Amino acid sequence: AQTVTQSQPEMSVQEAETVTLSCTYDTSESNYYLFWYKQPPSRQMILVIRQEAYKQQNATENRFSVNFQKAAKSFSLKISDSQLGDTAMYFCAFMKREDAGNMLTFGGGTRLMVKP
Amino acid sequence: DADVTQTPRNRITKTGKRIMLECSQTKGHDRMYWYRQDPGLGLRLIYYSFDVKDINKGEISDGYSVSRQAQAKFSLSLESAIPNQTALYFCATSDASPSSYNEQFFGPGTRLTVL
Repeated sequence: AQTVTQSQPEMSVQEAETVTLSCTYDTSESNYYLFWYKQPPSRQMILVIRQEAYKQQNATENRFSVNFQKAAKSFSLKISDSQLGDTAMYFCAFMKREDAGNMLTFGGGTRLMVKP
Repeated sequence: DADVTQTPRNRITKTGKRIMLECSQTKGHDRMYWYRQDPGLGLRLIYYSFDVKDINKGEISDGYSVSRQAQAKFSLSLESAIPNQTALYFCATSDASPSSYNEQFFGPGTRLTVL
């Protein structure tokens, strides 16, 4: 079974600054996906960024980027130029890469507040 | 219109009552999921279904049942609700095709309170 740990229950950052959210995971699988989801106060789950474990290059999506360290089983999210709209819960998630499945295992979440 | 819808959005009920949460999708996906969100625990999988005839238990299925009435509809039932089932419930869908990148699409969630 897989486990995902987010060690920072809450974080805050000043608008326009950079913040990094941590995530570690434990698995015996070699092929898998990792995700970061954002949950704003509206409760909607929004996919922020995706990383395929077989790709060494770190994924980026505009102001969001990841630092994927496969050997260390670490998958942190960096948000650059933080905006007020980035205030949300952020969840790290793991998915085995196989034909049958697609089940996500989530971490406990990090609540991020962006301060003006 | 939203691709994945859930009804109701909020529900307050009493201990021992039967509750059904409904999920509908217009994405044409075969795979559907029910998750439960609790503070500090993230989302945990309750049940999942790969097609109408294929339903499987997830990590925390005790106290819950599901019905896949059609490809587009997947309902979650609490036969006799108890207070520790108070949580936020999400339905999600995904496509099985290799080009889908295994992304799951979530509904807006149902906030359930059991008194």
